[in-house]
Amino acid sequence: GENVEQHPSTLSVQEGDSAVIKCTYSDSASNYFPWYKQELGKRPQLIIDIRSNVGEKKDQRIAVTLNKTAKHFSLHITETQPEDSAVYFCAASFTGSTLGRLYFGRGTQLTVWP
Amino acid sequence: GAGVSQTPSNKVTEKGKYVELRCDPISGHTALYWYRQSLGQGPEFLIYFQGTGAADDSGLPNDRFFAVRPEGSVSTLKIQRTERGDSAVYLCASSLEGVGTQYFGPGTRLTVL
Repeated sequence: GENVEQHPSTLSVQEGDSAVIKCTYSDSASNYFPWYKQELGKRPQLIIDIRSNVGEKKDQRIAVTLNKTAKHFSLHITETQPEDSAVYFCAASFTGSTLGRLYFGRGTQLTVWP
Repeated sequence: GAGVSQTPSNKVTEKGKYVELRCDPISGHTALYWYRQSLGQGPEFLIYFQGTGAADDSGLPNDRFFAVRPEGSVSTLKIQRTERGDSAVYLCASSLEGVGTQYFGPGTRLTVL
């Protein structure tokens, strides 16, 4: 099955700086890569996703890049704010056929200091 | 509209007991997923329903775990003879189809004493 590795496990940045979280995946058939933000005690919430026919996607301060050849994808947050502090999870999925289960990384605890 | 809901939010039980966890997906979502999240880990897949049928149950850890979705909407995850190692947050997610964005519920925190 798919194996998703996520780094770093913790990340501390100053408010206004950028944060980058990286993930690798093992199954070249994976074609859908969402990122979830989870605040303490809350549900995971989708913040951005990318499909394998696209190399980059942006949504305001958040961007995701995908390198299919190297099988890695990254989350970039610019102009970080204290409310960005949370655990971020990357995931990979193959959305063909009847499948669709998400394989998650172990998460990155992002702390943004004011 | 209403998001995915799960009940109860917390469940404390004793080792060996039986528990049921309920998930109400977003109305109209045909795909429903159960995941389990242990402390400091990402969610781990358990089972996926497309309509009423389990399309993929390969993530269920053993035969003490079972899930149903009899009418293609609400799903119940059932755990028999609970063990302390079953303690975790059980998350449910739904999507419009099996290939769509998955929206998560708030989870049920299960504690087995």
